[in-house]
Amino acid sequence: GAVVSQHPSWVICKSGTSVKIECRSLDFQATTMFWYRQFPKQSLMLMATSNEGSKATYEQGVEKDKFLINHASLTLSTLTVTSAHPEDSSFYICSAPGGHGYTFGSGTRLTVV
Amino acid sequence: GENVEQHPSTLSVQEGDSAVIKCTYSDSASNYFPWYKQELGKRPQLIIDIRSNVGEKKDQRIAVTLNKTAKHFSLHITETQPEDSAVYFCAASPSGGSNYKLTFGKGTLLTVNP
Repeated sequence: GAVVSQHPSWVICKSGTSVKIECRSLDFQATTMFWYRQFPKQSLMLMATSNEGSKATYEQGVEKDKFLINHASLTLSTLTVTSAHPEDSSFYICSAPGGHGYTFGSGTRLTVV
Repeated sequence: GENVEQHPSTLSVQEGDSAVIKCTYSDSASNYFPWYKQELGKRPQLIIDIRSNVGEKKDQRIAVTLNKTAKHFSLHITETQPEDSAVYFCAASPSGGSNYKLTFGKGTLLTVNP
């Protein structure tokens, strides 16, 4: 079945630094990747939608200059959290249409100290 | 855009009892309604889904019903077991497995007491 590999699974970074999260579709082509953020005990909130070869579409209230999304190939989409601050600490998870419905990555736990 | 409401936010049942979680949606264009189970720190796992051309779908102890006229759908778990304890999310999309985004409900924390 369709698999999305997400790395890293967890990362701790210092305030002010940048962190890159990668999602790769392993056995299918993902022309679209959805990026979600999930705070503790809350739901998955869509941040942005990346499309291969074009600019990402950001949801209202999400800073596109802070959350940089690149979808340079049919199998790789990346999210870079720039100038991270403690309030950016969250669980970030990607999802691509594929398989039966949507396939989710395993998530990245980001902690900014 | 789509808005998905989910109730209850928490649900505690005794092992062997049934559990029901309900969701409503706002966008009449939505026609794909998946349910996910998420354990702490893990990715959501699809447990069942339904499309708008079907009113009910069952898979062993899990069933989903859809009332497209009223724009609501429900998850039914029978003979609950402690391992069913998790957070459950409903979601809606104009088309499953396509480039349309999923909108999630706020989740239900289900606790099954032994």
